[in-house]
Amino acid sequence: SQTIHQWPATLVQPVGSPLSLECTVEGTSNPNLYWYRQAAGRGLQLLFYSIGIDQISSEVPQNLSASRPQDRQFILSSKKLLLSDSGFYLCAWIPAGTGIYGYTFGSGTRLTVV
Amino acid sequence: ILNVEQSPQSLHVQEGDSTNFTCSFPSSNFYALHWYRWETAKSPEALFVMTLNGDEKKKGRISATLNTKEGYSYLYIKGSQPEDSATYLCAPKKNNNNDMRFGAGTRLTVKP
Repeated sequence: SQTIHQWPATLVQPVGSPLSLECTVEGTSNPNLYWYRQAAGRGLQLLFYSIGIDQISSEVPQNLSASRPQDRQFILSSKKLLLSDSGFYLCAWIPAGTGIYGYTFGSGTRLTVV
Repeated sequence: ILNVEQSPQSLHVQEGDSTNFTCSFPSSNFYALHWYRWETAKSPEALFVMTLNGDEKKKGRISATLNTKEGYSYLYIKGSQPEDSATYLCAPKKNNNNDMRFGAGTRLTVKP
């Protein structure tokens, strides 16, 4: 069966420090991968998605970047965190190709930038 | 990019009340619609996937209907309970790609 792992669960980082959040999927190949964020009091905002290794699309200009060095690994990074980067980050995957499948989400990371 | 609208944005009901909210989406090239239940700081939980015009799905006290011709879906909660408090998200899919985009959600608060 397919599983998705996301870590860490919580993170408190000072302004200006780097960030690395990791997401891995098991039990499937060539998934589409996504990073979402919920800022305080707001809905889910799509940050990045990837349809393959080293193929990253960015939805909004921001202080963050994403990488996919391996088929089932998706990393969200920042060189210097801002206060506005605080929020709840979710990784998700969906099988490649068309189909009625929906997202399967990771357990999320609560990031607080202080 | 799919233009998905959910209404109302938020809703406050008393325990025992029944309620419903709407997801509107472009009807062209419709393929499937997903409903999720999302508690803050947790992973969204899949409720339903619907594909056919006139589809009705039910899970306990929660049910949903789908109209693909006019591009909307209703989610109903019968006899709301405090544990139903959450944000309900819908996400349609088109038939020509694998992209899913969420609406902003309806935030439901059920008061005991």
